[in-house]
Amino acid sequence: EVQLVESGGGLVQPGGSLRLSCAASGFTFSSYEMNWVRQAPGKGLEWVSYISSSGSTIYYADSVKGRFTISRDNAKNSLYLQMNSLRAEDTAVYYCAREGSLHHFDYWGQGTLVTVSS
Amino acid sequence: NFMLTQPHSVSESPGKTVTISCTRSSGSIASNYVQWYQQRPGSSPTTVIYEDNQRPSGVPDRFSGSIDSSSNSASLTISGLKTEDEADYYCQSYDSSNQVFGGGTKLTVL
Repeated sequence: EVQLVESGGGLVQPGGSLRLSCAASGFTFSSYEMNWVRQAPGKGLEWVSYISSSGSTIYYADSVKGRFTISRDNAKNSLYLQMNSLRAEDTAVYYCAREGSLHHFDYWGQGTLVTVSS
Repeated sequence: NFMLTQPHSVSESPGKTVTISCTRSSGSIASNYVQWYQQRPGSSPTTVIYEDNQRPSGVPDRFSGSIDSSSNSASLTISGLKTEDEADYYCQSYDSSNQVFGGGTKLTVL
């Protein structure tokens, strides 16, 4: 059974940093592209970042470019999101999502809440 | 970058059919596949349609997807509505380096 379990969320002050993790199991993690998607309270889904299966190709949404860094450790079956210079507007539930065929997010984690507030 | 525009909300009665649209702002809707996700309150999104019109196993055939190049839009149609279909629905597509979600449509079945 495919499982994606996010962790690392919490309350952080504006300007602060946080590192999210996503532990994957039930599939060959190193064969799949992965993404982070977020959802602000009461709002819609927003794509945040993409990383290829090898980690060699990375993309970011304009809203987080220069502040967030996606990475992965295929030996540990884990995906990460380092978030720096956090702003109030980064407050959201952050989901990791596996990318199946042709840019389809076929599995999602349960999400981890990040709250940026003083 | 392009945008995907969905109606904010739709409502329909049980047993009826509803269609949710998703209009692409620039570039052809046919150039990249469209997915549809269902999200119930407090839950993560799940796929109801992928690659324009494919249903994952376990999704009932009451759910169908299509694209219309003339209106540059995709549509999700749910027939035989059930109260359990009440949820938020998001379309999603992509270009070379971006994934894009529509703003979401709240479906009320009343």
